[in-house]
Amino acid sequence: QVQLVQSGAEVKKPGASVKVSCEASGYTFTSYGISWVRQAPGQGLEWMGWISAYNGYTKYAQKFQVRVTMTTDTSKSTAYMELRSLRSDDTAVYYCARGSGSYSEFDYWGQGTLVTVSS
Amino acid sequence: QSVLTQPPSASGTPGQRVTISCSGSRSNIGSKSVNWYQHLPGTAPKLLIYSNNQWPSGVPARFAGSKSGTSASLAISGLQSEDEADYYCAAWDDSLNGWVFGGGTKLTVL
Repeated sequence: QVQLVQSGAEVKKPGASVKVSCEASGYTFTSYGISWVRQAPGQGLEWMGWISAYNGYTKYAQKFQVRVTMTTDTSKSTAYMELRSLRSDDTAVYYCARGSGSYSEFDYWGQGTLVTVSS
Repeated sequence: QSVLTQPPSASGTPGQRVTISCSGSRSNIGSKSVNWYQHLPGTAPKLLIYSNNQWPSGVPARFAGSKSGTSASLAISGLQSEDEADYYCAAWDDSLNGWVFGGGTKLTVL
């Protein structure tokens, strides 16, 4: 069965960077892409961007364009999301989600990774 | 402020039918298909409806999606206690060149 397993919770100081991983199993990793979606406390879902696991092509939300980098390691069937220059309002649960293309629905999601930004 | 507009809350009793609306614009719902997600806090969101009205494998038919113009809706019939969750609509936005979500609707089963 399709599974996306994310790395554990992180606590970071303002200005630092965080890198969250998402290990995929149960399907051919390079046949799909991975989107990253976050949810701040008490807020709704927010799309951050998408990466093709086939060729590494990325599409980032304008809001995160400057601060985010999404990558994949096909040998490990793992996607990564790095967010830099962290601020307190980046405190959120970060989810990875599978999508066949950047315009495709998110059919499987990871369990989420809580990133807390605090001095 | 979310790009897509949903009511913050909805409620119903077991067995009832409830509807959740999602309002957008020409650059998103008006020209792209809508997906719906069910989210229980502390768990991974789940795809409920895709391409406006299609069911992923395993989703019961009592969840039904529809779209008209720049609005979409999710209808849940035969309401059950396990349906208590947050529901989000989502669509691609051509102007923003990215996915946009509604603010979410918290469904309470009374």
